[in-house]
Formats: sequence, C-alpha cells, structure tokens
Amino acid sequence: GDKVKQSPSALSLQEGTNSALRCNFSIAATTVQWFLQNPRGSLMNLFYLVPGTKENGRLKSAFDSKESYSTLHIRDAQLEDSGTYFCAAEAGQGGRALIFGTGTTVSVSP
Amino acid sequence: EAAVTQSPRNKVAVTGGKVTLSCNQTNNHNNMYWYRQDTGHGLRLIHYSYGAGSTEKGDIPDGYKASRPSQENFSLILELATPSQTSVYFCASAQNSGNTLYFGEGSRLIVV
Repeated sequence: GDKVKQSPSALSLQEGTNSALRCNFSIAATTVQWFLQNPRGSLMNLFYLVPGTKENGRLKSAFDSKESYSTLHIRDAQLEDSGTYFCAAEAGQGGRALIFGTGTTVSVSP
Repeated sequence: EAAVTQSPRNKVAVTGGKVTLSCNQTNNHNNMYWYRQDTGHGLRLIHYSYGAGSTEKGDIPDGYKASRPSQENFSLILELATPSQTSVYFCASAQNSGNTLYFGEGSRLIVV
C-alpha cells in the first residue's frame, strides 16, 4: 500500500496565488524531506524536517508526527515554482529508511 | 552544497547487454543510494551503501548489483539488461542515515 501518500496528484496555479500540498503517512515517520523536481528533471532538496515547521522564502513546511502528515505551502506562486514536488519520510533507523511519495505536479501559469 | 555527479547521463543498451551506471560524490558522505524513477511509482530504492565496501539491498534489487569501491564512488550494474529496466536512475548521497539527501542529475537508460 501507499506508505507515503501525496495529494493532490496535480495542481494548476495562477501566478501570485497560494496553495498547499500534503503528505499523509501510514508509517511512523520520524523525519520528512521535501524535494522539487524541475522540468529538466533535476531533484533539489527543499526542506529537512523533524516535527515542527520551517520556512524558506515563499515556501513553508510543517511536519506533525503525531497526526502523521506533512504540508508544504507555496505563497505567491511564481512560474519557477512549476515542477513535481516529492515528500519522503524516514521511519526509524537505517540507510534504506527514506520512503518517497509519488509526487504532486504543480503548473504555474501567468 | 553536495556535488553528486552521474555518468553516463544518457544510454541506450541492448537487451542482454551489461550496463554500468557510475556515481561520484565529493562531500565525503557516508551513505550513497541508487533509485529509479518511473511514472506512477515515484522514486524506488534499488541499492544503497553505508560506506566503502558496503552494499545493501533496497526495495527493488532484483536484476541489479551495486559496488562501492571507495567513499566517493558508487556504481549500479545491470549484468543482463532487460527492457523493463528502461528508466531514469538517480544516485543520491547523505552524510548518514536520516540526513539531508542530495541527488545527482539522473541517468536516462533505454534498453531496446
């Protein structure tokens, strides 16, 4: 089954608007990472989270380990925010522990 | 910023042939990983390593071998390539388990 479930699977935004992406976990996630894969295919790390919140520019992310979910908020969306956002959860210890969701594809239009 | 470089970036291989994907990282990270990315599946872990000489099976290791001859280098080996192994392969590194993951640019493999 889906241990890391992302929603929505796709999202269309107009420039300047705000939106939220979500990951729900059916595992006991201890840390969460968010990545952006740009249209060229490169994967970039956005956030590394223990339970709590982090903010970086127009992006803000939260991780609630008790309720087993994480969110990524995009404020004032820009064209360069387009791409596929992945969350990945670590469950316990061990090098294989990062489990990825299937991604949310975000398209920002003028 | 971690530097993870993969080669080749693009490869066409014939069924039954041997393919080696190479990965090099220059940040002295202990852990290295190989993932494949396919539509509808996200990123799936093939093999990973804790350090030189170590290789561990990930979630989908069948048909793949891995080699970590040094701290910097981690290779993925397809001894007998099959069309089902057509995919985009990503190498990644992290200082240790549970640390931030840094990805290479990906290697697109087509097996005909």
